[in-house]
Amino acid sequence: KAGVTQTPRYLIKTRGQQVTLSCSPISGHRSVSWYQQTPGQGLQFLFEYFSETQRNKGNFPGRFSGRQFSNSRSEMNVSTLELGDSALYLCASSPRRQGAGTGELFFGEGSRLTVL
Amino acid sequence: AQSVTQLGSHVSVSEGALVLLRCNYSSSVPPYLFWYVQYPNQGLQLLLKYTTGATLVKGINGFEAEFKKSETSFHLTKPSAHMSDAAEYFCAVILNSGGYQKVTFGTGTKLQVIP
Repeated sequence: KAGVTQTPRYLIKTRGQQVTLSCSPISGHRSVSWYQQTPGQGLQFLFEYFSETQRNKGNFPGRFSGRQFSNSRSEMNVSTLELGDSALYLCASSPRRQGAGTGELFFGEGSRLTVL
Repeated sequence: AQSVTQLGSHVSVSEGALVLLRCNYSSSVPPYLFWYVQYPNQGLQLLLKYTTGATLVKGINGFEAEFKKSETSFHLTKPSAHMSDAAEYFCAVILNSGGYQKVTFGTGTKLQVIP
């Protein structure tokens, strides 16, 4: 079974630009969650999508948005990039919503965004 | 507030020595608890999990953790450290946040293994 796939793995943007990151979950998984990881803040929850609906959202500004498609693939978008948005963005999938079942999350390798 | 706390952002051990990474949680209900490991430039990988039943949980790569309700702890141990264990370790718990169940991660502990 293929794992969680995130693209692109690395990208460099400049301030003010926007970026879209993609996540393909494990086949059959309907929940996709996004996290931002930085050395200073650790793992910060962005949002969770389940069955194409945002189910939960972390404490991030509106510049951070996402969506999920009918095949469970998800994208997240960051508009008007700031230097502080430089981070590793991790996607995690699970068969059910976070907290349901045994709660295990399956992570992709992440997309490392550098904002110059 | 409900939370999960990892004591020590950096831990160094000698190769062959005991590994002990500490995790305490705050939850009003019996929790589901997890340990994840992250190797450089990779995502997180599940090491082990506690849901119900036996309080001593064995995971991959020789790691184990014990759920102690009275101490609200879920410390991760390995009897003998190997160089390949150098990584960052995250404790996680399912907590209720704003009416939603969510996996909440600790701040992580970087393990250094000294030859």
